[in-house]
Amino acid sequence: EVQLLESGGGLVQPGGSLRLSCAASGFTFSSYGMSWVRQAPGKGLEWVSVISDSGGSTYYADSVKGRFTISRDNSKNTLYLQMSSLRAEDTAIYYCAKVIYSSVADAFDIWGQGTLVTVSS
Amino acid sequence: QSVLTQPPSASGTPGQRVTISCSGSSSNIGSNYVYWYQQLPGTAPKLLIYRNNQRPSGVPDRFSGSKSGTSASLAISGLRSEDEADYYCAAWDDSLTGWVFGGGTKLTVL
Repeated sequence: EVQLLESGGGLVQPGGSLRLSCAASGFTFSSYGMSWVRQAPGKGLEWVSVISDSGGSTYYADSVKGRFTISRDNSKNTLYLQMSSLRAEDTAIYYCAKVIYSSVADAFDIWGQGTLVTVSS
Repeated sequence: QSVLTQPPSASGTPGQRVTISCSGSSSNIGSNYVYWYQQLPGTAPKLLIYRNNQRPSGVPDRFSGSKSGTSASLAISGLRSEDEADYYCAAWDDSLTGWVFGGGTKLTVL
């Protein structure tokens, strides 16, 4: 069964850091682009970042550029999101999602269940 | 404020046909594919339509997508109570070099 399992969320103070992980199973992880999408409480979906199958190409939303870093370890079938200089407005459920093909600009066909990040003092 | 514009709400009665619009610009919908996601209450989003009008395996043919110029639409025919959800459109934006989503449309089945 194709599955994505996020972890690493929690409560962090403003200005702090957190690293999210997304463990993939049931498919050839190294063959697909991967992405992070977040959803603030009661709000809509906001794309955060995407990485190509090899990790050689990465893209970020302007709202997180310079503060967040997406990466992947294809030997461990795991996607990461390193978040620093966190702000209250980063509070959200963070979903990892698999891209339907190897490209970064195609559908997110599989989604994880999400992990909640709360930025508060 | 979202780059793609969707109506905040839509409604219909069982069996009816409803459409949800998504308006963008030349840098996103006008030059790239449109995607639609369904998010049932308390769950993760699910891919509903990809590449303007393609349905993933398992998505009923009651759901259809179309695109014209810088706008797109999602149509749901034979409306059912289980279709009550939030629906989001999305597209790659060449100017922003990233994905953009619509603000979402909450569909209510009366």
